[in-house]
Amino acid sequence: AQKVTQAQTEISVVEKEDVTLDCVYETRDTTYYLFWYKQPPSGELVFLIRRNSFDEQNEISGRYSWNFQKSTSSFNFTITASQVVDSAVYFCALSLWGKSTFGDGTTLTVKP
Amino acid sequence: ETGVTQTPRHLVMGMTNKKSLKCEQHLGHNAMYWYKQSAKKPLELMFVYSLEERVENNSVPSRFSPECPNSSHLFLHLHTLQPEDSALYLCASSQVWAGEGGDEQFFGPGTRLTVL
Repeated sequence: AQKVTQAQTEISVVEKEDVTLDCVYETRDTTYYLFWYKQPPSGELVFLIRRNSFDEQNEISGRYSWNFQKSTSSFNFTITASQVVDSAVYFCALSLWGKSTFGDGTTLTVKP
Repeated sequence: ETGVTQTPRHLVMGMTNKKSLKCEQHLGHNAMYWYKQSAKKPLELMFVYSLEERVENNSVPSRFSPECPNSSHLFLHLHTLQPEDSALYLCASSQVWAGEGGDEQFFGPGTRLTVL
């Protein structure tokens, strides 16, 4: 069985602070995919990144960066210089054989 | 329209009513999904359709009945629901329902369902 744990239920930061959202996953499969999605107040989840289990390279996209470490089964997400528009619920997901398991989500509030 | 659309956006129904949720994707994808998002639970996958064939049914009560008439449309028929079924119902699509599960999903805005 697969499991995704996002231990941080809520995080509040002040604009321009850096913030890291943690994601720990469990699976016995060696081939799998990890995702991060953002859910703004409008409701629809927006895809941010996909990483397969064989690619442990970290990735940076603008103010977003992801740190994938298979040794600790973690796929953490960092927002640098946060902005108010980053306020949302962020979900980490594990996907294999077409089935996605989502974490409970982390609600990020960025205050001006 | 572009992306994934869902109608209605809000729905209030009694326990004896019958209603349907509609999802339409304009992305040319071959896989479509229904998720339930409750206030205190993570996203729960309900159904998956790949090329109009149901490939996943996660022990969902029979009062929820999906229908996929073609690869662009997905319905969720509701009847004799319970108050605990109140939730946000999200539809998603992906290019394929890949064997290795590697495709990102595109989500609609959801239908906020309230069962009285």
